[in-house]
Order: sequence, then C-alpha cells, then structure tokens
Amino acid sequence: AQKVTQAQTEISVVEKEDVTLDCVYETRDTTYYLFWYKQPPSGELVFLIRRNSFDEQNEISGRYSWNFQKSTSSFNFTITASQVVDSAVYFCALSEGYGGATNKLIFGTGTLLAVQP
Amino acid sequence: SAVISQKPSRDICQRGTSLTIQCQVDSQVTMMFWYRQQPGQSLTLIATANQGSEATYESGFVIDKFPISRPNLTFSTLTVSNMSPEDSSIYLCSVRTSGNTGELFFGEGSRLTVL
Repeated sequence: AQKVTQAQTEISVVEKEDVTLDCVYETRDTTYYLFWYKQPPSGELVFLIRRNSFDEQNEISGRYSWNFQKSTSSFNFTITASQVVDSAVYFCALSEGYGGATNKLIFGTGTLLAVQP
Repeated sequence: SAVISQKPSRDICQRGTSLTIQCQVDSQVTMMFWYRQQPGQSLTLIATANQGSEATYESGFVIDKFPISRPNLTFSTLTVSNMSPEDSSIYLCSVRTSGNTGELFFGEGSRLTVL
C-alpha cells in the first residue's frame, strides 16, 4: 500500500538558517510521482515540485532544492537561507502510475516550519 | 496550471444542517478531486468526480453524507450533509490539468465550522 511519512511534525529555525524537511515513502509500484506542496497560513495549497520515479537527478530552484534517493525511498526538501515567508506547512505526496487522470495523491502528515526573524 | 475558485471560503454551520460547496475551474478538466483536511491534519481524499458519471468514494466516505455533482467539465459541488462538529474541516477541490503530468492544483479551500 502507498504511504508517505513525514517524521518531523514541527521545525523551528531562525532566519537565514538552512533547513531540511524529510519525506519517506512506500509503494509497490515501479512508476510513480512524488510531490511537495506548501500550505501557508492562508490555507491554499501551492504546488512546488513534481519528480518521477525514473529521474533521480536532484533539482534546485532558487533557495529550494530536492534530493530524491530511491535506495532509501526518500524525497527530502531543503530550504537554504530560510526566510520568514517560508513559514508554512509543507506536505510531501505520492501518486502511483504516470499521472493517469484518475490517479490520486496520497499526502504525508505535513511538517510545520516556523522561521523566526 | 489552473485557477480554481471555491465558495464559500468559510462558513459557520449548525449541527444537523447541510452545506454545499461549489468549485469552479477556469478550464475544462476530466477529473476533479475533493479532499478534506481536518484541523491540524493532512489531506484525505473524499472522492473523485468524473463528468457524467457517479463519483467514486474512498473508504470511509459515503454518497449519502457527501453527495457530489459534476454537471460539466468546469464545475462541481460537494455537499456535507447532516453536519456534526466532527465535520469541521477545510474542504478542498483539486484538479489535474489535461497534461496528466501528475500534480494536482487546489482551490483555496472552504473552511467549515460546525457548532
């Protein structure tokens, strides 16, 4: 069965610190997608990144970077030089198959990141 | 991506009443997904709505409690029936755009409080 585990419930850092959010997943499928979403206090879910199971290349987007390791079934998210605006709940999610129209996303429990000024 | 609008954005409801949440998308989409997020919790899929057919419900969710309509490719409604305080949640509408690349785009959510 599919499962996404985000062991860190809450993380508090001071502005400009680097922070890594952990995500471990379980799936029997060999083809799947992994995602990260951000949910700021306003409540809207913001899509950050999609990674397919055949692409283990790490990705960097500005201050954000993602480390995907199939060997450990992990898809970790690092924010470099954190800012107060990064304060939010971050969700990792998994979708089996290659984005077929009916494939659903399974979400982890989320990590609340608080960045203090 | 897609622009998804939900109404109401928030509401306070009395126990035993029902409330219908509307979801409007700015483009035609095949599937729409309704999620529930209870306070401080993760997102749980309620059902998947395909235009022209009955919605498919996840384990633990039934049509009598959460009837869904999907009259066309840009619109859906979710009704929360006979509400109790346990139904206090954020209800989110989401879509996968025609590219089928996997990610879902979400509306801003409807925050319901049941007294």
